Amino acid sequence: SQQGEEDPQALSIQEGENATMNCSYKTSINNLQWYRQNSGRGLVHLILIRSNEREKHSGRLRVTLDTSKKSSSLLITASRAADTASYFCATVLPFTGGGNKLTFGTGTQLKVEL
Amino acid sequence: DARVTQTPRHKVTEMGQEVTMRCQPILGHNTVFWYRQTMMQGLELLAYFRNRAPLDDSGMPKDRFSAEMPDATLATLKIQPSEPRDSAVYFCASGSPSWDSGNTIYFGEGSWLTVV
Repeated sequence: SQQGEEDPQALSIQEGENATMNCSYKTSINNLQWYRQNSGRGLVHLILIRSNEREKHSGRLRVTLDTSKKSSSLLITASRAADTASYFCATVLPFTGGGNKLTFGTGTQLKVEL
Repeated sequence: DARVTQTPRHKVTEMGQEVTMRCQPILGHNTVFWYRQTMMQGLELLAYFRNRAPLDDSGMPKDRFSAEMPDATLATLKIQPSEPRDSAVYFCASGSPSWDSGNTIYFGEGSWLTVV
């Protein structure tokens, strides 16, 4: 079963606009990560936010985390056509066998049109 | 650039055949994940190795799937016998010992499996 669910499932915007994707998760986490997947390719790590952080920036990316609501958001500012991809949140969960494991949400498909 | 290498990239096989997918993690990474991606189920964690030992394979159908790490440079995922419902993209990812403390994991490009 999925730990995280992204909203919306699909998003279409014009180049230059901002894109916001939300992720909700179910259980307590150590940290939360966002990944990007271009069509037909593997996933690429974008940004990580720890459970004791509320906001983090990286270039045009801004991530927020609200542990009380078990939710996170990814904002891409001034979007470009090259940002067209699927975006996934992933949560690092403690694993009873020792260590942590990474589970992914359902993803948001972003399309940025010229 | 260091990268996770997966082979084969594409595989079409007939139902009942054995399929072996291979993964070479990034040198120095001691954590290996196998994920399966389908439209219906999204990304599912199949198996998880640390220092070559399986920590979690609860997401893997045990009757037909097996995952091993014969050595630190090779992880394998085997399906025997394969079924059409196994058609999916199988991703391998590797991480350093501190991957969960602020470092990332790195994905291969996937093995696209079609079972007919």
